[in-house]
Amino acid sequence: EPEVTQTPSHQVTQMGQEVILRCVPISNHLYFYWYRQILGQKVEFLVSFYNNEISEKSEIFDDQFSVERPDGSNFTLKIRSTKLEDSAMYFCASRGQATYEQYFGPGTRLTVT
Amino acid sequence: AQSVTQLDSQVPVFEEAPVELRCNYSSSVSVYLFWYVQYPNQGLQLLLKYLSGSTLVKGINGFEAEFNKSQTSFHLRKPSVHISDTAEYFCAVSDRNNQGGKLIFGQGTELSVKP
Repeated sequence: EPEVTQTPSHQVTQMGQEVILRCVPISNHLYFYWYRQILGQKVEFLVSFYNNEISEKSEIFDDQFSVERPDGSNFTLKIRSTKLEDSAMYFCASRGQATYEQYFGPGTRLTVT
Repeated sequence: AQSVTQLDSQVPVFEEAPVELRCNYSSSVSVYLFWYVQYPNQGLQLLLKYLSGSTLVKGINGFEAEFNKSQTSFHLRKPSVHISDTAEYFCAVSDRNNQGGKLIFGQGTELSVKP
């Protein structure tokens, strides 16, 4: 069964450093998403991406964040200058054109020290 | 805007007992409804969804949920739980009219099944 994959599973970085979180969505999916879950809190929407552009973003997704689909398979989330409060589990998700359910990857745990 | 409230943060239950995890939502527009499960150290897995039609929907692993429009609820039920059902359960909604379909999640309910 096809699945969404994410790398790395755990990333530790120092405050102020740039990080790139990588995702490979399910191959025939057209909508892509990033969510995050701070420890003990709910899963929060960050951004959705369709047709090579951002379709919606949350208030959390400020100028420090960017997304890219550099080729036909990868979908990345970049944080330019990490803050302590960026420490969280980041989930990538994708869905097909005619479906409404999103399929999630296993997540990347980002720890900013 | 939408919001989701899961009324119980933790639900302990004995094996083979029935369980209900409660979910209420608030929205000014029509929504799709979902339940996801997160096993320890894993990602979110779709349990079931309500898009339209019959208000009782069945999902994987013997779970079912009932959409109640008047009470804006979408409670998850299982008649007999197993130890392996121990996990975090998330209720989520998305705006039917939003093509992008972002999900709004509840806080999650930790189901703990004891022998």
